[in-house]
Amino acid sequence: EPEVTQTPSHQVTQMGQEVILRCVPISNHLYFYWYRQILGQKVEFLVSFYNNEISEKSEIFDDQFSVERPDGSNFTLKIRSTKLEDSAMYFCASSPFLGWTTGGYTFGSGTRLTVV
Amino acid sequence: GESVGLHLPTLSVQEGDNSIINCAYSNSASDYFIWYKQESGKGPQFIIDIRSNMDKRQGQRVTVLLNKTVKHLSLQIAATQPGDSAVYFCAEKAGTASKLTFGTGTRLQVTL
Repeated sequence: EPEVTQTPSHQVTQMGQEVILRCVPISNHLYFYWYRQILGQKVEFLVSFYNNEISEKSEIFDDQFSVERPDGSNFTLKIRSTKLEDSAMYFCASSPFLGWTTGGYTFGSGTRLTVV
Repeated sequence: GESVGLHLPTLSVQEGDNSIINCAYSNSASDYFIWYKQESGKGPQFIIDIRSNMDKRQGQRVTVLLNKTVKHLSLQIAATQPGDSAVYFCAEKAGTASKLTFGTGTRLQVTL
């Protein structure tokens, strides 16, 4: 069964450092997303990406965040200068279409980011 | 503002019993709903979804019920098994918006 792959599974970084989280969405999907989950809390939307541009973003996704699809397979989330409160589990997801689609959105297993 | 929330943070059921997990949403524009299961250290795993033009949808051992009048969604799991132990989230989406809004989650504990 196709899956969304995320690397690394765990990243520890010092406050103020830049981090790049990587994702390989399902190959025939057209929409890509990043979500985050602070420990013990609900999953929060960050950004959606389609046709090489951001289609929607939340208020969490400020100027410190950026996304990129550098090639035909990878989708990355960059945090330019990490803060302690950026510590969370970051999930990448993809979907074949916008709007409802049976099967929902497929999520990766996540990258646990720890900012120290 | 729009929100999706869950009534029960923890639900404990005996193996073999049926489980019912509830979710309330406030965005009347929501037209697509998904239930996800999340096991420790893993990403949300799709269970079942439903569109707003339906009020019930069944899968294997799971049923989702949607009551648009009171903006309520429920997930029923038949013959709950130990492997069903996880946190369950409802999520909703409205129209052409791309984002999913998740509820706060309910932890299902299956006892033997």
